Amino acid sequence: DSGVTQTPKHLITATGQRVTLRCSPRSGDLSVYWYQQSLDQGLQFLIQYYNGEERAKGNILERFSAQQFPDLHSELNLSSLELGDSALYFCASSPQGGGSYEQYFGPGTRLTVT
Amino acid sequence: AQTVTQSQPEMSVQEAETVTLSCTYDTSENNYYLFWYKQPPSRQMILVIRQEAYKQQNATENRFSVNFQKAAKSFSLKISDSQLGDTAMYFCAFMKHQTGANNLFFGTGTRLTVIP
Repeated sequence: DSGVTQTPKHLITATGQRVTLRCSPRSGDLSVYWYQQSLDQGLQFLIQYYNGEERAKGNILERFSAQQFPDLHSELNLSSLELGDSALYFCASSPQGGGSYEQYFGPGTRLTVT
Repeated sequence: AQTVTQSQPEMSVQEAETVTLSCTYDTSENNYYLFWYKQPPSRQMILVIRQEAYKQQNATENRFSVNFQKAAKSFSLKISDSQLGDTAMYFCAFMKHQTGANNLFFGTGTRLTVIP
């Protein structure tokens, strides 16, 4: 158990819908990262938040957005869903600073768009 | 841009034997970190080992060790005394050393099967 929690574990929804994925980082970790794992694109970085502020953006679609709240949990919002958005979405957290750069991953949310 | 290449899509090894997974990367950075992550059938991503580019000594974690060749931009993972629980996808990952933005760039993975 990495200490990172993600809900829900599974999500099945229809095209055109909107969903929210939730992540709670390890206690004390200030950075949250979102990654997408799909069969055709592999593991891709989407976005990073650090202590409530956006720090880096990867291959995140405009239909996707994220935020990090004062209690450090994060949400990834996916809208106007398409079949190709079906994937495993991981959240990871890291403490940032102190020479520690390891990222610890949550169990993931499996999204199926039908 | 950083790229990470794992040229072995699948590998197998007999239980108790040793296996080496290959990884090469391309970067213009001088300071960075390299990681190996394991993804078993449960799909959980588990950190196996990490290497700082400024360290010449290869990292070791129990049965797992790396061969880091900075000039060749190569970062292979050696698993000794392979166990059935080592069956998983293994991903090599790169991270720039910088304050703030520290996302991982992943390779495409190597599927390792340990044969009893």
